[in-house]
Amino acid sequence: DQQVKQNSPSLSVQEGRISILNCDYTNSMFDYFLWYKKYPAEGPTFLISISSIKDKNEDGRFTVFLNKSAKHLSLHIVPSQPGDSAVYFCAAIRGGSEKLVFGKGTKLTVNP
Amino acid sequence: DTGVSQDPRHKITKRGQNVTFRCDPISEHNRLYWYRQTLGQGPEFLTYFQNEAQLEKSRLLSDRFSAERPKGSFSTLEIQRTEQGDSAMYLCASTPSRPLAYEQYFGPGTRLTVT
Repeated sequence: DQQVKQNSPSLSVQEGRISILNCDYTNSMFDYFLWYKKYPAEGPTFLISISSIKDKNEDGRFTVFLNKSAKHLSLHIVPSQPGDSAVYFCAAIRGGSEKLVFGKGTKLTVNP
Repeated sequence: DTGVSQDPRHKITKRGQNVTFRCDPISEHNRLYWYRQTLGQGPEFLTYFQNEAQLEKSRLLSDRFSAERPKGSFSTLEIQRTEQGDSAMYLCASTPSRPLAYEQYFGPGTRLTVT
């Protein structure tokens, strides 16, 4: 039972354009959401997070949007750079738990 | 400030052998986690320590797996009688005890191959 779903295994965008990565979740008890970036042969690197009491969080080129009613969140990267090419994981956690629940990831390729 | 370190980075073993991995968390992070990642999947939670106490274990952690964190510092994950299905990336993460500190900081992982 996949509680966090990333339905696009891959995404390709041109340098300078916007990248939009999507994530859906099924467990309404999740109240904190995170995005991680992973390069080959490295561990996941924390990017940005959002609490369920907010609908938007921004950090530089990265913005995460949360739509609780739709159980959907998205990560926007503007402008996209070739160095952003990596696998992006969406993760969720329930208050009081210590367990991050991850999606399967979306491989982003930013073409020069 | 150094990040989470894991040793070894790669391990190849024969089926039936025992293996042990080590994780050194970020200094003063009292919460430590182990995850497993297989090809095409996201990391899956295995277990969690707060200081030296193991407070949560996933059902993925069969009785062949054991984790320890003596003195609340580094942690070890041992797999006994390895099986080919144990081949995966084993990731360690840590986080400090701050309110709402949900971000977990991952190490580079140990890639296990069981032949």
